[in-house]
Amino acid sequence: AQSVTQLDSQVPVFEEAPVELRCNYSSSVSVYLFWYVQYPNQGLQLLLKYLSGSTLVESINGFEAEFNKSQTSFHLRKPSVHISDTAEYFCAVSDGSSASKIIFGSGTRLSIRP
Amino acid sequence: DAGVTQSPTHLIKTRGQQVTLRCSPKSGHDTVSWYQQALGQGPQFIFQYYEEEERQRGNFPDRFSGHQFPNYSSELNVNALLLGDSALYLCASSFGTGFFMAGYTFGSGTRLTVV
Repeated sequence: AQSVTQLDSQVPVFEEAPVELRCNYSSSVSVYLFWYVQYPNQGLQLLLKYLSGSTLVESINGFEAEFNKSQTSFHLRKPSVHISDTAEYFCAVSDGSSASKIIFGSGTRLSIRP
Repeated sequence: DAGVTQSPTHLIKTRGQQVTLRCSPKSGHDTVSWYQQALGQGPQFIFQYYEEEERQRGNFPDRFSGHQFPNYSSELNVNALLLGDSALYLCASSFGTGFFMAGYTFGSGTRLTVV
């Protein structure tokens, strides 16, 4: 069965500093990978996804993630964070060879300090 | 274009009672998945409905059951509520299953508190 490990439960950074949220997944023949963001008292919003093709995927608000098959990783990065990026971030994986359930990691709380 | 709609937003129930949560998928979506998110944890997959049938199920007891209607809306039922069932219940919709799936659209959730 697929699984996702988010290595950091909390990541505190200063505003305008770079950040990396780490994610590793269990290997499978084919995978779809996702990052979701959850703001307080809200549902999850899709931030970006890797389905196929270019291993570097980007979101509209400056986040990017790189699919690394050899290291089974899908780390999320942003070169300069804003206070508004404060949220919980979830890495998720789906096994594209079967039905489409998505398995989530335990989440990383990103807190931005002014 | 309405996204995923869940009702109610908050609910308080007593141990042993039964509860029904409702979800209307995003327009054009035909698959509904339900997740339980305990405080401080990631969402845990409960089950998924497609073509009015349960297609996949996570590691949840039979007290958790569901239904999908012809208009693709869905209900999650939980019987014999336990204190540990207190959580945010998220509904997610998508189009199709398997290869054609490309991510979910989530509702804002129903916060269930069991006392």
